[in-house]
Amino acid sequence: EPEVTQTPSHQVTQMGQEVILRCVPISNHLYFYWYRQILGQKVEFLVSFYNNEISEKSEIFDDQFSVERPDGSNFTLKIRSTKLEDSAMYFCASSEKGGANVLTFGAGSRLTVL
Amino acid sequence: KNEVEQSPQNLTAQEGEFITINCSYSVGISALHWLQQHPGGGIVSLFMLSSGKKKHGRLIATINIQEKHSSLHITASHPRDSAVYICAVRFYTGTASKLTFGTGTRLQVML
Repeated sequence: EPEVTQTPSHQVTQMGQEVILRCVPISNHLYFYWYRQILGQKVEFLVSFYNNEISEKSEIFDDQFSVERPDGSNFTLKIRSTKLEDSAMYFCASSEKGGANVLTFGAGSRLTVL
Repeated sequence: KNEVEQSPQNLTAQEGEFITINCSYSVGISALHWLQQHPGGGIVSLFMLSSGKKKHGRLIATINIQEKHSSLHITASHPRDSAVYICAVRFYTGTASKLTFGTGTRLQVML
């Protein structure tokens, strides 16, 4: 069954460092998403991406965050200068269509900021 | 305010029991998702529904649009069903791509 693949599975970084989380969505999917889950809290929407541009972002997704689809397969989330409160599990998801469509999630990337 | 509430927060059941997890939301939605989060953290999509009822194996999801309520049922529960079950909705008042998540229901099924 097709999967969404995320790397790394766990990254530890120092406060202020840049972090790039990578995702390989399902090949025929056109819509891509990042969500995050701080430990013990609910999952929160960060950003959605379609046709090589951001289609929506939440208030969490400030200037420290950016997304990119550098080639035909990867979808990345960059955090420019990490803060302690960025420590969370980050989930990538993709869907074939937008709107009310089934999402396929990756296994997540756990980011720990020290 | 667009909110999603789940109940119960925690649920312990004996193997074989019939389980119900509830989700209610504040305003109109275009779709509701039921997700399963494993102890390792990964999320699996179980159902997406906008009306009526869906069934997959021992899992049944129902939604009542008028009452703004959905239920996830597990028949003949098994210890491998132990996970966090999350309800997430796409509100009409939001844009097409944003999901709003509930806090999840932690289910533990004992032998």
